[in-house]
Amino acid sequence: SSELTQDPAVSVALGQTVRITCQGDSLRRYYANWFQQKPGQAPVLVIFGKNRRPSGIPDRFSGSSSGDTASLTITGAQAEDEADYYCNSRDRSGNSVIFGGGTKLTVL
Amino acid sequence: QMQLQESGPGLVKPSETLSLTCTVSGDSITSYYWNWIRQSPGKGLEWIGYISYSGISNYNPSLNSRVTMSLDTSKNQFSLRVTSMTAADTAVYYCAREVPDSVGYYCDFWGQGTLVTVSS
Repeated sequence: SSELTQDPAVSVALGQTVRITCQGDSLRRYYANWFQQKPGQAPVLVIFGKNRRPSGIPDRFSGSSSGDTASLTITGAQAEDEADYYCNSRDRSGNSVIFGGGTKLTVL
Repeated sequence: QMQLQESGPGLVKPSETLSLTCTVSGDSITSYYWNWIRQSPGKGLEWIGYISYSGISNYNPSLNSRVTMSLDTSKNQFSLRVTSMTAADTAVYYCAREVPDSVGYYCDFWGQGTLVTVSS
């Protein structure tokens, strides 16, 4: 399959926990990566592989996976976490790169 | 520190060919996969294709017949060529490094992006 499905929008109260999900058949084979994108900026990798964070990414960001669904969890959301979040992986064949449609996170 | 920088025209006429270059510093392009990704205004990320360190390329089927990618190891650059540009190709174009590991692949470094507008 060549699709990853995300909810278009999610909101969270400041300091609370939010989960953003991504569903697709390719996630049965590959772990999802997660990118944060703020307006006018390039995407930034926040989670990759089996819940790994690049240097500089706060530990309030974590990833998990079950079956065909991956999740990005932000524990104690901050105002600066308001952004678009994209999941990504290779497709089931491993030959193509695919992205989810993105989730707009609003921090209330 | 790893850096990628896109360069090319900001304005392309309809039916013309777009050529973009991504200059890589801080690492050699003789490893990994080198991707082009674009984002139309207000839309999500769309994968265009990649070229591997060995020169093997793979493109998004929706663009396959119009896209060509190449490597220039002497300049540590890789390039994108898209023919028959239309207004629908107006987007910010990003280059990114993709790293394989035991459980998948991930794009860890991205260029800042370059806006390409298709207009007469």
